Formats: sequence, C-alpha cells, structure tokens
Amino acid sequence: RKEVEQDPGPFNVPEGATVAFNCTYSNSASQSFFWYRQDCRKEPKLLMSVYSSGNEDGRFTAQLNRASQYISLLIRDSKLSDSATYLCVVNGGGTGGFKTIFGAGTRLFVKA
Amino acid sequence: SQTIHQWPATLVQPVGSPLSLECTVEGTSNPNLYWYRQAAGRGLQLLFYSVGIGQISSEVPQNLSASRPQDRQFILSSKKLLLSDSGFYLCAWEPPDVGPLGEKLFFGSGTQLSVL
Repeated sequence: RKEVEQDPGPFNVPEGATVAFNCTYSNSASQSFFWYRQDCRKEPKLLMSVYSSGNEDGRFTAQLNRASQYISLLIRDSKLSDSATYLCVVNGGGTGGFKTIFGAGTRLFVKA
Repeated sequence: SQTIHQWPATLVQPVGSPLSLECTVEGTSNPNLYWYRQAAGRGLQLLFYSVGIGQISSEVPQNLSASRPQDRQFILSSKKLLLSDSGFYLCAWEPPDVGPLGEKLFFGSGTQLSVL
C-alpha cells in the first residue's frame, strides 16, 4: 500500500461546480497534513494546511479524519484558474529524520 | 523575506555526461534543504536532504550525489547521467526550527532535465 494515495483523476468539471478530492495515508503516526497545488512543469506551492478541526480559505475547505486516515479538499465555485494538479502531503511519523510524503496528485480541469 | 533560487530551468544532456544543479536560499539561516525528483505523471520522490553544512542524507540509492558546501547552497551532481535520470528536479527548503515532524516546504522553480 502506498504511504499516501490519491485518485489521479483527471476531474473534468464546468466552471462554478463543486469538486472534492480525497487522500488516504497509511501511517497513523502522521501529524501534519497539507494540500499543495502544482501547475504543469512548475513547482508545487502550498495551498493550505489541514487541521483536525477542519479549515476554510475562501472557496477551499480542507478536512482531516484521523480515525479513517484520510484528508479531503473541497473546492466550491470552480474557476478556470483552479485547473492544476493537487498534491496531498503528509508529514511526520516516518523514520530517518524529516519525512514528507507527497501523493502523486489529482489533476483537475475546469472548463468554461 | 526568504527566497529560493534554482538553476538552470531546463537542461538537455547526453547519456554519460556529468550533471550539476545548484540551489541557493536567501533570507534565512541554517535551513533544512531537500532535493526531489518528479518523473512525468508521477509524484515527488525525495532524493537527498540536509540539516546543515556537509550533512547529507540519501533516501534513494542511485548515481546521484548531493553536497552542501555553504549554509544556504545545495548542489545535486552526477558523474555520468543515465536515461532514467530524466525528470523534473526540485529543490526545497524549510525553516530550521522544526521538530521531527517537519514543516511545510517551499520549492524552487525546478529544473527540467532531459537525458538523451
């Protein structure tokens, strides 16, 4: 089982749609969780951290379910500019020092 | 504010040639530094990380090496490139005052390496 698993997509949605991505992680000792956004052939950029209580940033909502070991990202009112790959990132709980595990990403295409 | 510089942006190299990618960070001291590789359509694979000058940890055995000659400089090298070394290479840093659980990462703009 992969340490961090994501549905690769692609998700094709119209503008204005609501879309949700899920991510599961295998290490129950993991403590920090993030969503990154990566545009084609660009570096990943932090979108938002994920907290146990859930957090919202504008149209984006992230949630963490420790019992089921999954993280979700909800995007409301999708914009064309939201088209990108969304990376689920899990930190901690590994061996050998600082351990950040990236999912392979979920591709999103928002169409007019 | 902190910034990270990575170069070159693109590189085309023949098989068997050497490689040197450089990354520098400004605006912080003693950052933790990372080299990642991303193959086409794949996730990020951690190659090396460093918590200080001359301190390098390797995550994946391969024909690549890393060095940290200065506090804010991280170099990825190879003596002889293989076809399989092609990919998108990313340097990243995080603040030094993090615990064993790590912290969010800040990435350089990446180097697209094509080995032919």
